[in-house]
Amino acid sequence: DVKVTQSSRYLVKRTGEKVFLECVQDMDHENMFWYRQDPGLGLRLIYFSYDVKMKEKGDIPEGYSVSREKKERFSLILESASTNQTSMYLCASRGISTGELFFGEGSRLTVL
Amino acid sequence: AQKITQTQPGMFVQEKEAVTLDCTYDTSDPSYGLFWYKQPSSGEMIFLIYQGSYDQQNATEGRYSLNFQKARKSANLVISASQLGDSAMYFCAMGKVGGGNKLTFGTGTQLKVEL
Repeated sequence: DVKVTQSSRYLVKRTGEKVFLECVQDMDHENMFWYRQDPGLGLRLIYFSYDVKMKEKGDIPEGYSVSREKKERFSLILESASTNQTSMYLCASRGISTGELFFGEGSRLTVL
Repeated sequence: AQKITQTQPGMFVQEKEAVTLDCTYDTSDPSYGLFWYKQPSSGEMIFLIYQGSYDQQNATEGRYSLNFQKARKSANLVISASQLGDSAMYFCAMGKVGGGNKLTFGTGTQLKVEL
C-alpha cells in the first residue's frame, strides 16, 4: 500500500518556538508538497519540491521554510511559530507520470 | 494564475438520492486536469476522480461522475445513490498536466447525507 506519513498528528507549541513537520513517502515520487488547510479557505499551497534540494514557493510561503535532503523526505519548518500558524498541515506527493496527489493524514498544529 | 471556485459551503441530500457539487475554474493553460477529493471527519484526503481537459468523455468512477463542461469552465461532481458514508467535505482541484505542477484547491463543500 502506498503511503505518505506525517510524523505528528497533533502538536502544541508556544509562540516563538521552532517547529519541524516531517513527511516521508514510500512511492519514490519526485514531487512533494506542503499545504495548509483552514476552515472556509480550503487548501493553500505553502511550498513544493520537484527534486532533491529543489524547492518552489507556493501561494503562502511567508513564515515557513522547507528542506528536502532526500527524495523520500520533505520537511516544513516554522522558524518562529506564531498563533496565526495554528492550522492543519497536509503533506502530499506526486510522481512525474501520476495525476493525483497522495496525501498524508495531516498534522494539526496549535500555537499558543 | 489558476483559480477554483466552489460556491456551496454546505449541502444536504437524502439517502439514495443523487447530488451535484458545483465547481468552476479559471486558467489560461490549454492543458490541465481537474480532480475531486473527499475528506471525511477523520481528516484523510481521498482521491475520487480525475478529468483531463482534452478528454472527450466525462469521467466516471463507480457512483461518482464528473460533469465536465469546458466552455463553461465547470467540473461538477455528481454522486449517485447517496450513502451515509458520503457525508464529508469535498474539494475540487485543478493543475497543469505533469507531475511537477501543483494543484490548486477550492474552499470545499460540506455534504451531509440524511436518512
